[in-house]
Amino acid sequence: DTEVTQTPKHLVMGMTNKKSLKCEQHMGHRAMYWYKQKAKKPPELMFVYSYEKLSINESVPSRFSPECPNSSLLNLHLHALQPEDSALYLCASSQPTSGRAKREQYFGPGTRLTVT
Amino acid sequence: TQLLEQSPQFLSIQEGENLTVYCNSSSVFSSLQWYRQEPGEGPVLLVTVVTGGEVKKLKRLTFQFGDARKDSSLHITAAQPGDTGLYLCAGVSGTYKYIFGTGTRLKVLA
Repeated sequence: DTEVTQTPKHLVMGMTNKKSLKCEQHMGHRAMYWYKQKAKKPPELMFVYSYEKLSINESVPSRFSPECPNSSLLNLHLHALQPEDSALYLCASSQPTSGRAKREQYFGPGTRLTVT
Repeated sequence: TQLLEQSPQFLSIQEGENLTVYCNSSSVFSSLQWYRQEPGEGPVLLVTVVTGGEVKKLKRLTFQFGDARKDSSLHITAAQPGDTGLYLCAGVSGTYKYIFGTGTRLKVLA
């Protein structure tokens, strides 16, 4: 099973709201990722968790706060977002192997976020 | 800064035609992945290539990794409307960095 699930599918929030995006995988992967994707553009990396610890933060504004409660779950907490934060938010997972192993990354279906 | 340039950016073809999408970089990657993405959905992994010169086939899709592991191509034979989507290559750099290509938007007309 190579499934990554994300909830909700769609989210509309005001600039003063607080909301959370959720991601789950049961492939035993120990690396999980958040990406942001604007229309007609490739995904942009936001955060990487490896073994439940934050490994990479691509200078993301603090209004985005990631959390990895356990090896299967990844959350993205949202607060005081701006309209330009509207995008498709993608979760992904992979196994952090070494050398030239495949390191295949699997994506969830995404959450379409609209900030009004 | 590592970049992956894809060409063409857009392609609109008739059903039954063949096409090739290119993914080029000046950087060496440990492996490279191809994804297809439909509007509003997440990218779906099609294939991973690891060895320079490697060729992989997935039904009507043929993927090739360049000998120097800097570039790759995707060839589709007898394209069908179901092949329509955004095709993304992603080079693996380090344990956690996936450098995405600029994308190729394919439309196959019935």
